[in-house]
Amino acid sequence: AQSVTQLDSQVPVFEEAPVELRCNYSSSVSVYLFWYVQYPNQGLQLLLKYLSGSTLVESINGFEAEFNKSQTSFHLRKPSVHISDTAEYFCAVTQAAGNKLTFGGGTRVLVKP
Amino acid sequence: DTGVSQDPRHKITKRGQNVTFRCDPISEHNRLYWYRQTLGQGPEFLTYFQNEAQLEKSRLLSDRFSAERPKGSFSTLEIQRTEQGDSAMYLCASSSGSTEQFFGPGTRLTVL
Repeated sequence: AQSVTQLDSQVPVFEEAPVELRCNYSSSVSVYLFWYVQYPNQGLQLLLKYLSGSTLVESINGFEAEFNKSQTSFHLRKPSVHISDTAEYFCAVTQAAGNKLTFGGGTRVLVKP
Repeated sequence: DTGVSQDPRHKITKRGQNVTFRCDPISEHNRLYWYRQTLGQGPEFLTYFQNEAQLEKSRLLSDRFSAERPKGSFSTLEIQRTEQGDSAMYLCASSSGSTEQFFGPGTRLTVL
């Protein structure tokens, strides 16, 4: 069985400040890790993923996440947020390509001007 | 638009009624997934198909829930004798068997 814990349910942050969203997972086997973003009234969109190789992965809009196997974590960071980053962010894990995703409870990011 | 589509987007029903939702995946995708998301929670896996075969069902899926994908293209999710606890957003996703799942906008069900 696998599980995902997102330690912060809400993170308020000022525009241009950095943000870190924490994600820890539990699994007895190797996993693939994902961050999905859900903007208000929209569906889930993939932000970035870790499959193998470099433990630091980046998205096209400035987010990055680092896979830490020893700490079973996959925290998401952005050095400077924009108002448009206001959304809910979900960490997810799967044990094999094409299998079901197990999601964390989500972290709601509210960017304030 | 070639993304995943779901119909209807919203459904309000009375307790005890049956409801059916439809999902149209991205056309070349052979895998289709259903998830349920309640307010303030992350999506929970319900079931998934590879082509027309239903490969896995969650223990969350009671016998009032049934899903089909008869021709390996669109899928339907039916809930019989709805209960207030069934109120949620029902999400559909599809993939080509690779790691990324593409999600639809969801169907929001409200059971009165």
